[in-house]
Amino acid sequence: QQQVKQSPQSLIVQKGGISIINCAYENTAFDYFPWYQQFPGKGPALLIAIRPDVSEKKEGRFTISFNKSAKQFSLHIMDSQPGDSATYFCAASGSGNDMRFGAGTRLTVKP
Amino acid sequence: EAGVVQSPRYKIIEKKQPVAFWCNPISGHNTLYWYLQNLGQGPELLIRYENEEAVDDSQLPKDRFSAERLKGVDSTLKIQPAELGDSAVYLCASSLRGRELFFGEGSRLTVL
Repeated sequence: QQQVKQSPQSLIVQKGGISIINCAYENTAFDYFPWYQQFPGKGPALLIAIRPDVSEKKEGRFTISFNKSAKQFSLHIMDSQPGDSATYFCAASGSGNDMRFGAGTRLTVKP
Repeated sequence: EAGVVQSPRYKIIEKKQPVAFWCNPISGHNTLYWYLQNLGQGPELLIRYENEEAVDDSQLPKDRFSAERLKGVDSTLKIQPAELGDSAVYLCASSLRGRELFFGEGSRLTVL
């Protein structure tokens, strides 16, 4: 079921530091790669997404880096804040709208 | 604009009892998903609807799970009979073009 492999499972970062979460996929038919953020008791919410025709996308403090040949992509959170503490999921989908999620990374940002 | 609405938020039942979850997607969203989320895990797809048609139900345990989406709007997911291993959060999501998914807050099931 898990067609997207995510690491690490958990991450602790100091306030102001950089958080990096990695994902790898297998299905070359995937053409849309989002990251979702989930707070306890809530559903996941879209944070940022990228398509394979670009290698990087930045939105504020959040950046996705994409390596098509390696079938890997990563999320970088710059200047991490305590409010960023949440679980982050990478995902991937193809033209069939079949969104598949990674296992998640629990991020803790210490003040 | 109202988001995806799910009910109930929490449900506690004895094993072998039936349970049903309801989802009202965002108005106009033709694609509806039901995901299972175990504690500490990512969402796993159970079933995906395009309008009222179930286009991907390969991961739905059909011996005990069933789903329907009448008139291509609301959807219901049913488990009968429930087993201890079904304890999880059941997430509903909808999308307009199958890219950005909008999730509800989930229905947390505890089977005793």
